[in-house]
Amino acid sequence: AQKVTQAQTEISVVEKEDVTLDCVYETRDTTYYLFWYKQPPSGELVFLIRRNSFDEQNEISGRYSWNFQKSTSSFNFTITASQVVDSAVYFCALSDVTGTASKLTFGTGTRLQVTL
Amino acid sequence: GAVVSQHPSRVICKSGTSVKIECRSLDFQATTMFWYRQFPKKSLMLMATSNEGSKATYEQGVEKDKFLINHASLTLSTLTVTSAHPEDSSFYICSARDVTGLAGGELFFGEGSRLTVL
Repeated sequence: AQKVTQAQTEISVVEKEDVTLDCVYETRDTTYYLFWYKQPPSGELVFLIRRNSFDEQNEISGRYSWNFQKSTSSFNFTITASQVVDSAVYFCALSDVTGTASKLTFGTGTRLQVTL
Repeated sequence: GAVVSQHPSRVICKSGTSVKIECRSLDFQATTMFWYRQFPKKSLMLMATSNEGSKATYEQGVEKDKFLINHASLTLSTLTVTSAHPEDSSFYICSARDVTGLAGGELFFGEGSRLTVL
């Protein structure tokens, strides 16, 4: 069975602070994909990144960076110099690649509040 | 980029009525769509996998007769909540995968539909 754990329920930071959102996953698959999604108050899910299990390179996209550590089954997400617009719920997710299915198992989400 | 559209975004209905939610992939074909349910301040739970031209695959604990799914074309899947009750009030989100995408590749999500049953 697959499982994604986001231990941080809620984080509050002041604008311009850096913040890291933790994600730990469990899977028996050797091939899998990891995702991060942002859910702003409006409700839609915004795709941020996909990483496959064979690619452990860290990725940076503007103020966002991701650290994938297969040895610790973690896929952490860091926002540098946070902004108020970053306030949202962030979900880490793991995909099932059995057959043609690619359904996602989501973590419980981390609510990030960035204040002035 | 690829877009998935859901309609309606909000619906309020009386207990006992049925509500249909549409999920459309606007600029790509999707043989598979997924329906998720999200309770307030909770994670998204997969309800079912919608397969074009065949029956949907439901997750354990999801009532097939309660949540009817139809995937009649490569760009449209519908979720019908039959005889809705207040406990069915929730945020329903669909997602679709481009048939040309990698297995486990990027899934595109709709904007979600908030159902309130009075």
